[in-house]
Amino acid sequence: QSALTQPPSASGSPGQSVTISCTGTSSDVGGYNYVSWYQQHPGKAPKLMIYEVSKRPSGVPDRFSGSKSGNTASLTVSGLQAEDEADYYCSSYAGSTVVFGGGTKLTVL
Amino acid sequence: QITLKESGPTLVKPTQTLTLTCTFSGFSLSTSGVGVGWIRQPPGKALEWLALIYWNDDKRYSPSLKSRLTITKDTSKNQVVLTMTNMDPVDTATYYCAHRDGDVVPAGWFDPWGQGTLVTVSS
Repeated sequence: QSALTQPPSASGSPGQSVTISCTGTSSDVGGYNYVSWYQQHPGKAPKLMIYEVSKRPSGVPDRFSGSKSGNTASLTVSGLQAEDEADYYCSSYAGSTVVFGGGTKLTVL
Repeated sequence: QITLKESGPTLVKPTQTLTLTCTFSGFSLSTSGVGVGWIRQPPGKALEWLALIYWNDDKRYSPSLKSRLTITKDTSKNQVVLTMTNMDPVDTATYYCAHRDGDVVPAGWFDPWGQGTLVTVSS
């Protein structure tokens, strides 16, 4: 069971869109529609942003969206705002276990 | 409103056993479909899933740590306990517990999370 692969960093200017990828295998991301995304600000606990690939929990702005193609899931943040600067982690069900990605630091320029 | 809080020692010595308790409110671990998980995060590093337990006592463990982990629940106290044996300095991390949500067990997602507790392993 290997960690999902995410780019270490991503960036964008306020108002722009940024997409973060999360690559796994057919045993996790590609095999199930149970990809979730978490936002973590420094010193804080992770917060659920997307579940079941593309669903947003109540209270999460619709600027956040998720998708999946094959073994790669993606999180897109549209209309970047300063408060979106944080670490983002993807996670997937992996057939009786759970796997997380290595995390992506999103910087708002 | 669902809340979870982790408790346990902040410092353990190498080779010792770590025991962490997750005390929660807003849900019951006797309700069908409900689960609680543990996740850890070494300083400056990524999240790592450790274990899951469900209302029916179904338990899942990280394959790489399975031999060292035990997860149990006390439904009457609204608590989940994680024990990790043979602690090593590389196990220094913030340990989180989280409510496991989803319609199909054990698939799902974690929401919400506890605040986390930092455990340092040092002699």
